[in-house]
Amino acid sequence: GAGVSQSPRYKVAKRGQDVALRCDPISGHVSLFWYQQALGQGPEFLTYFQNEAQLDKSGLPSDRFFAERPEGSVSTLKIQRTQQEDSAVYLCASSPAGVGHSNTEAFFGQGTRLTVV
Amino acid sequence: AQSVSQHNHHVILSEAASLELGCNYSYGGTVNLFWYVQYPGQHLQLLLKYFSGDPLVKGIKGFEAEFIKSKFSFNLRKPSVQWSDTAEYFCAGTTSSASKIIFGSGTRLSIRP
Repeated sequence: GAGVSQSPRYKVAKRGQDVALRCDPISGHVSLFWYQQALGQGPEFLTYFQNEAQLDKSGLPSDRFFAERPEGSVSTLKIQRTQQEDSAVYLCASSPAGVGHSNTEAFFGQGTRLTVV
Repeated sequence: AQSVSQHNHHVILSEAASLELGCNYSYGGTVNLFWYVQYPGQHLQLLLKYFSGDPLVKGIKGFEAEFIKSKFSFNLRKPSVQWSDTAEYFCAGTTSSASKIIFGSGTRLSIRP
């Protein structure tokens, strides 16, 4: 597609429920990022993939958060046993270059708004 | 720790006023800096980026930013704003060896018609 696509756009989950958020990056993009954006805040880094390898997961807030990109394309962010503090917009971004390459930018999807009730 | 700071949380201007949004970063070494914009209901879009070379960077829609290394700043400017510039603006930065782009907390810009 023309851009980064995320689904669903909106998700309401009951506390304790597991959720899975999908990201389709721009075709051929090597790098994929997940960010969490709370209301009124800037995006906070969660994790980074270069192709299928998860090179940085330092931003994942707890072991309830898990991300994968098994074939180096589509990625899924899974949140287990959701809590109210998980309510946020989850942004996916992709980039054509890998780590260490300058002169690159990240292209963002529209995000998934997760509301935990 | 690496960080990006935006000084203004909410800026309100009248149309045709000049704009300057502050951004400071704490990186050492070679930095890559960005300004992203998020219009209501839309995704983050790149306004402009700085990697090297001319410290005055021109972006889309008449925006520009100046990289001042001695001040660790990358302020965004526009000489004359329009109502359609109403949006959230994010400054962000990384280094060439980093695996993540770090964002500031954002500045909400409201333009009075």
